[in-house]
Amino acid sequence: GQNIDQPTEMTATEGAIVQINCTYQTSGFNGLFWYQQHAGEAPTFLSYNVLDGLEEKGRFSSFLSRSKGYSYLLLKELQMKDSASYLCAVRDWNYGQNFVFGPGTRLSVLP
Amino acid sequence: GAGVSQSPSNKVTEKGKDVELRCDPISGHTALYWYRQRLGQGLEFLIYFQGNSAPDKSGLPSDRFSAERTGESVSTLTIQRTQQEDSAVYLCASSLTDRGRGSSPLHFGNGTRLTVT
Repeated sequence: GQNIDQPTEMTATEGAIVQINCTYQTSGFNGLFWYQQHAGEAPTFLSYNVLDGLEEKGRFSSFLSRSKGYSYLLLKELQMKDSASYLCAVRDWNYGQNFVFGPGTRLSVLP
Repeated sequence: GAGVSQSPSNKVTEKGKDVELRCDPISGHTALYWYRQRLGQGLEFLIYFQGNSAPDKSGLPSDRFSAERTGESVSTLTIQRTQQEDSAVYLCASSLTDRGRGSSPLHFGNGTRLTVT
């Protein structure tokens, strides 16, 4: 099976930088996705990594190391509206086109 | 453009009753997924449809759960003889077929919040 792990909760200050880690174990890695989910709302797509390295998108960046089974989401210049859950999801060739989600990290941004 | 649409947005039902949840995917999206999210928890895969291929039902928790999809459009998730542990938000998502490259993200609907009393 697959095992995806994330910290349950994190707290950071407005204007700061925060790094949310995701570790995974899979035998047929076929891409890693990050989603943002505000309370009571649907998840929305943030980023995609399939090759090693850093993908930057404005204030958000995502990093992948396939050999270590590790990814992180980096949020810069934090804003109050960034308070949300951040979900890491992995696709695995052995599971067709299925996305397997981690438990999510609930980020609270404080003034 | 229209996103993924789910109905009803909220459903309260008595234990033992059947419920049917509906999902309209984004037009042109051949892949459709159902997930369940219990309060404060992550997304639990239920079932996946891809075009006219046989669905991947490996995530359905029991034979009380079933789903259908008409071609590449509407899908319905049916829960028979509902139990209190079925209470959750049921999320539907669709994506383009990415021909194995793995890069097409999921686009989620707002979900149906099911409460079984």
